[in-house]
Amino acid sequence: GEDVEQSLFLSVREGDSSVINCTYTDSSSTYLYWYKQEPGAGLQLLTYIFSNMDMKQDQRLTVLLNKKDKHLSLRIADTQTGDSAIYFCAEKYGGATNKLIFGTGTLLAVQP
Amino acid sequence: DAMVIQNPRYQVTQFGKPVTLSCSQTLNHNVMYWYQQKSSQAPKLLFHYYDKDFNNEADTPDNFQSRRPNTSFCFLDIRSPGLGDAAMYLCATSSGTQSSYNEQFFGPGTRLTVL
Repeated sequence: GEDVEQSLFLSVREGDSSVINCTYTDSSSTYLYWYKQEPGAGLQLLTYIFSNMDMKQDQRLTVLLNKKDKHLSLRIADTQTGDSAIYFCAEKYGGATNKLIFGTGTLLAVQP
Repeated sequence: DAMVIQNPRYQVTQFGKPVTLSCSQTLNHNVMYWYQQKSSQAPKLLFHYYDKDFNNEADTPDNFQSRRPNTSFCFLDIRSPGLGDAAMYLCATSSGTQSSYNEQFFGPGTRLTVL
């Protein structure tokens, strides 16, 4: 079955690094994504990683993929108050419809 | 800017009264999706259109229907809303072929309240 899990809550101080973790189940996933959702808003694509990569860096964001353990993480360097939001990981399900399966979301709270 | 637009942003309806949510896009994407996101939960795919081909998820209730009259517009119809249908409804688009869809771009969502 398809299941993507995340921890519910993370609190950090402004300027620290944040690490948000995600585990997924479909080993045939080709892409894995991180989306950001601010209160009352839609989902904003932050970054993604192809399944044959171990790491991808994009400015303050670093994505690490451990395919053996089906573990994905998003590191945000120098976390700012504007980073406070819910972060969803999603896997591109390898079935015929190539749909996205979202995780439960992690609420990141950045303390000034 | 190319974008995904949802109207209205907030919709209030009465129990059992049909309601239609609207999505339009200027990205010229051939795939359009509707997701339901209940409070503190992950978005759940209801259905999607690949061009004019409608693809329903197996667990989407019959109460939910969709129309796509052209590339730019897609509608979500809830025939008889129940209290359990109160949620944020997200529209998304992507480009792609039958075998591979590219990343999805989301609209801001419509928050539906059922009284």
